Amino acid sequence: DAGITQSPRHKVTETGTPVTLRCHQTENHRYMYWYRQDPGHGLRLIHYSYGVKDTDKGEVSDGYSVSRSKTEDFLLTLESATSSQTSVYFCAISDQPQHFGDGTRLSIL
Amino acid sequence: GESVGLHLPTLSVQEGDNSIINCAYSNSASDYFIWYKQESGKGPQFIIDIRSNMDKRQGQRVTVLLNKTVKHLSLQIAATQPGDSAVYFCAENIGGSYIPTFGRGTSLIVHP
Repeated sequence: DAGITQSPRHKVTETGTPVTLRCHQTENHRYMYWYRQDPGHGLRLIHYSYGVKDTDKGEVSDGYSVSRSKTEDFLLTLESATSSQTSVYFCAISDQPQHFGDGTRLSIL
Repeated sequence: GESVGLHLPTLSVQEGDNSIINCAYSNSASDYFIWYKQESGKGPQFIIDIRSNMDKRQGQRVTVLLNKTVKHLSLQIAATQPGDSAVYFCAENIGGSYIPTFGRGTSLIVHP
């Protein structure tokens, strides 16, 4: 949807391993976002980017890092995954309104 | 409305009925509001938006109403269809911000 591709769509990994999720857009939007979605919570912002190499933290950024070396790609990295990071991760682009990818379901055992 | 627990508020309707989903927003400085629909296994999908200089906006089978006095937003879906079954949630933006705040959502179940 809206030219946003998230990969992988599903991943199972072990505690302590590094994980990188990728968001790719074809819309040339300046703004890109990473959210996590968990039961009992609305979408919570992890990090966002307002341009190449320009990123900032969201409300739940601990344990996550991001990189944006090209307009079209925004990477989310869990340096050492923990079970509390089991979640569904969504990438979004644009500003008003945001448009979302179809998510990555990440399970950390 | 919103839920503080794990389970979302649920609205069950019959096919063909009109549905009304409500959202209370928190910040009186918010001036842009969005409704999203999220089907199982998919990302949120934009439905309709409204700015604070309007009270009502209509789309195809959907209407959003904004009551700034009581900080309340509603989404009306006319002639609800089984394909409308999904979680619906609102988002609010404070003027000039590119970071919306999302509600937890309401689950709409449409019975044939």
